[in-house]
Amino acid sequence: NAGVMQNPRHLVRRRGQEARLRCSPMKGHSHVYWYRQLPEEGLKFMVYLQKENIIDESGMPKERFSAEFPKEGPSILRIQQVVRGDSAAYFCASSPPGLGNYNEQFFGPGTRLTVL
Amino acid sequence: DQQVKQNSPSLSVQEGRISILNCDYTNSMFDYFLWYKKYPAEGPTFLISISSIKDKNEDGRFTVFLNKSAKHLSLHIVPSQPGDSAVYFCAAENTGTASKLTFGTGTRLQVTL
Repeated sequence: NAGVMQNPRHLVRRRGQEARLRCSPMKGHSHVYWYRQLPEEGLKFMVYLQKENIIDESGMPKERFSAEFPKEGPSILRIQQVVRGDSAAYFCASSPPGLGNYNEQFFGPGTRLTVL
Repeated sequence: DQQVKQNSPSLSVQEGRISILNCDYTNSMFDYFLWYKKYPAEGPTFLISISSIKDKNEDGRFTVFLNKSAKHLSLHIVPSQPGDSAVYFCAAENTGTASKLTFGTGTRLQVTL
């Protein structure tokens, strides 16, 4: 399967715990994006990363949320001290480098986070 | 501040007929527009896109029209098939800045037999 991989697909956490979401981009893709979808809403941009660099984190909440895309391994979205309002579907997308400005983003299946 | 709007939350169309999904945007800096299709419990799947230098792009049964002066785009699916039943999201991008997509809230299309 050469698509964007996300794990886990479902994650249940109690309030105050940490949630760690993983994303492996498509082969050859070096740009990773994280989006969040709340129930009955569209996807909202959170962060855009390239290898070892955060390019745009304008959609990330100021506290408790962080993201990384290390030189080796998947991209990680980390949510510390989760609250019920963090319950949502989190989607990762990737795009290839060097295709100019018009890049389709290819999405993974998402991680559904439920905070009890 | 909803910069991309899909004002119809749902649409029902008979098989074989045309489906028309609409999208409006407010940010004049957007210059690239995409349509994604989403099934439940799956990620969005890219369908078709259009840059602001064009007013139409066609790919098989799918055609996207862009009216820049009205800040409006539409997706036409003809003929509609039952497998087209899904939620369709319109997305927009300002390619001069970071490549984040701004999504609408989606339109649920139901294609009936």
